[in-house]
Amino acid sequence: QVRLQESGPGLVKPSETLSLTCTVSGDSISSFYWSWIRQPAGKGLEWIGRIYTSGATNYNPSLKSRVAMSVATSENRVSLRLTSVTAADTAIYFCAKVGGPTTFDPWGPGILVTVSS
Amino acid sequence: QSALTQPASLSGSPGQSITISCTGTSSDDGSYNLVSWYQQHPGKAPKLLIYEVNKRPSGVSSRFSGSKSDNTASLTISGLQAEDEASYYCCSYAGRGTSVFGGGTKLTVL
Repeated sequence: QVRLQESGPGLVKPSETLSLTCTVSGDSISSFYWSWIRQPAGKGLEWIGRIYTSGATNYNPSLKSRVAMSVATSENRVSLRLTSVTAADTAIYFCAKVGGPTTFDPWGPGILVTVSS
Repeated sequence: QSALTQPASLSGSPGQSITISCTGTSSDDGSYNLVSWYQQHPGKAPKLLIYEVNKRPSGVSSRFSGSKSDNTASLTISGLQAEDEASYYCCSYAGRGTSVFGGGTKLTVL
């Protein structure tokens, strides 16, 4: 059974860089896409982007200039970096395995990241 | 990349059937069927309910079904139960390897 776990700082200062890691257990991350999705408190889901284990990426156009994803296949981890954060980036960040372009399953439990000084 | 349009809220009584619409999904031949639905209970991660318009993952109740006509996808929940009270999100392929979610529908079971 594949399990995902997000980790990283829960508090980031404005203008700094948000860095999160998704650790996958129960199976190899190889040959799959992995996505990051976020959800501000009380609001809907926003797709951030996806990365294949080759390193190929696709990003949400609205975030593309600030987002970078990477993969560490030997460590079974994928990472997210979001630069120049503002309060609008405060959200729960989820990672998910991509089974098809819009098929996200399973998801990690999510991690709350607050942008505040 | 505009969010898909869903009703903000719906309600129904136990035993009834309800349908949640999702407008703005891809009409392109190659990505027409790339629509999924997710259920999210408060404080929990979303759960995949339907993928590729009408396919159910193993373990998802047959009370959940999906369909699509032109650019509008629909999720129908039959035999509404108290445990179905949650938020529901659609997701569609948006081209060039990207995806987009709907704004979400909060379902209340009366």
